[in-house]
Amino acid sequence: AQKVTQTQTSISVMEKTTVTMDCVYETQDSSYFLFWYKQTASGEIVFLIRQDSYKKENATVGHYSLNFQKPKSSIGLIITATQIEDSAVYFCAMREYNTNTGKLTFGDGTVLTVKP
Amino acid sequence: DPKIIQKPKYLVAVTGSEKILICEQYLGHNAMYWYRQSAKKPLEFMFSYSYQKLMDNQTASSRFQPQSSKKNHLDLQITALKPDDSATYFCASSQDYWGVAETLYFGSGTRLTVL
Repeated sequence: AQKVTQTQTSISVMEKTTVTMDCVYETQDSSYFLFWYKQTASGEIVFLIRQDSYKKENATVGHYSLNFQKPKSSIGLIITATQIEDSAVYFCAMREYNTNTGKLTFGDGTVLTVKP
Repeated sequence: DPKIIQKPKYLVAVTGSEKILICEQYLGHNAMYWYRQSAKKPLEFMFSYSYQKLMDNQTASSRFQPQSSKKNHLDLQITALKPDDSATYFCASSQDYWGVAETLYFGSGTRLTVL
């Protein structure tokens, strides 16, 4: 069964610094997709970035990048030059390719607080 | 403008009643989903639809019934409401159900409180 674990419950950083959020996953599938989402204080869930398991290159979008370590089943999210508005809950999620379901499995989330 | 519209934003119901949560997406997507987020659990998959056809149901209770009248609509009917049903219900969509472009995009949610 697929499982996603985010061990960091909360992180606090100073504005303009870099933060890394951890995520490990479990899957029996050889192909899968990994995602990071952000949930703002208003409750909105926003897609940030994805990594396809067959791609070796780490994905990068704006000031978000991923540290994909397939042998360790790990997909860390790196946010550079953090801003106050990056304060939110960040969720890691996984979708298996070969199972006949559209299900995304989410981790419990990491609360990020960016301080001025 | 929001591309996935959920109505209402807040909903209060009494135990035993029935409610319908509305979802419409204007992204031109072919697949739609329902997820639930409660205080005690992470985001939890409920249903997936592709071209108005039910693809997967991972809710344990038949009290939850999705309804798709159009390709861009996926409502959620909940009957015999219980306090444990209190949660925020998110509708989501993706371009296709299967293939390489399945990034899910979420609506803003309906927060349901059952008294």
